[in-house]
Amino acid sequence: GESVGLHLPTLSVQEGDNSIINCAYSNSASDYFIWYKQESGKGPQFIIDIRSNMDKRQGQRVTVLLNKTVKHLSLQIAATQPGDSAVYFCAENPAGANNLFFGTGTRLTVIP
Amino acid sequence: NAGVMQNPRHLVRRRGQEARLRCSPMKGHSHVYWYRQLPEEGLKFMVYLQKENIIDESGMPKERFSAEFPKEGPSILRIQQVVRGDSAAYFCASSPQGPTTEAFFGQGTRLTVV
Repeated sequence: GESVGLHLPTLSVQEGDNSIINCAYSNSASDYFIWYKQESGKGPQFIIDIRSNMDKRQGQRVTVLLNKTVKHLSLQIAATQPGDSAVYFCAENPAGANNLFFGTGTRLTVIP
Repeated sequence: NAGVMQNPRHLVRRRGQEARLRCSPMKGHSHVYWYRQLPEEGLKFMVYLQKENIIDESGMPKERFSAEFPKEGPSILRIQQVVRGDSAAYFCASSPQGPTTEAFFGQGTRLTVV
């Protein structure tokens, strides 16, 4: 479902460390999920997606984990780099819905 | 292969004027979505269109807002008689086969109403 955030959750990591960004989704009927990265002044950039028939999917330096039991999604970024600094959104698509519902977002800051 | 193209990037309108936002989807994509984003918030769905058809406009205000995706040319989001509360970033996304496929976003149009 939708949520409105007054302050973005933040995560600070040292360059080279791994990052884990978490997302709790609300609709148990959601069966498609996407992680987006949004840099300041830019549009959301597709990172990786996963469907509900999977619990893990890997991309280049990123892994998405899906736990349908507790309605939880996470994005793991390996060897975080300064260019990874951005706001990360999870988005869910409930079965039959025509749109994505976005979470509040997490601001990731990578410390050189 | 160019991505989703939106223009203008920035638009300033006085209260009461009209705003027209344009979106050209990625090549081969016939599904277009418009979202609105306020600062420090996630994107909120407005409308979903396919060529010449509005599929779902449940997120779009009933008054002053309209959208179209003609057979030829870009999708247009039109806001009539803008008010200060319309100030936001408006993003367009496109996908190849509907909402359960990868949706790619444009860089957005930042509308400021003065």
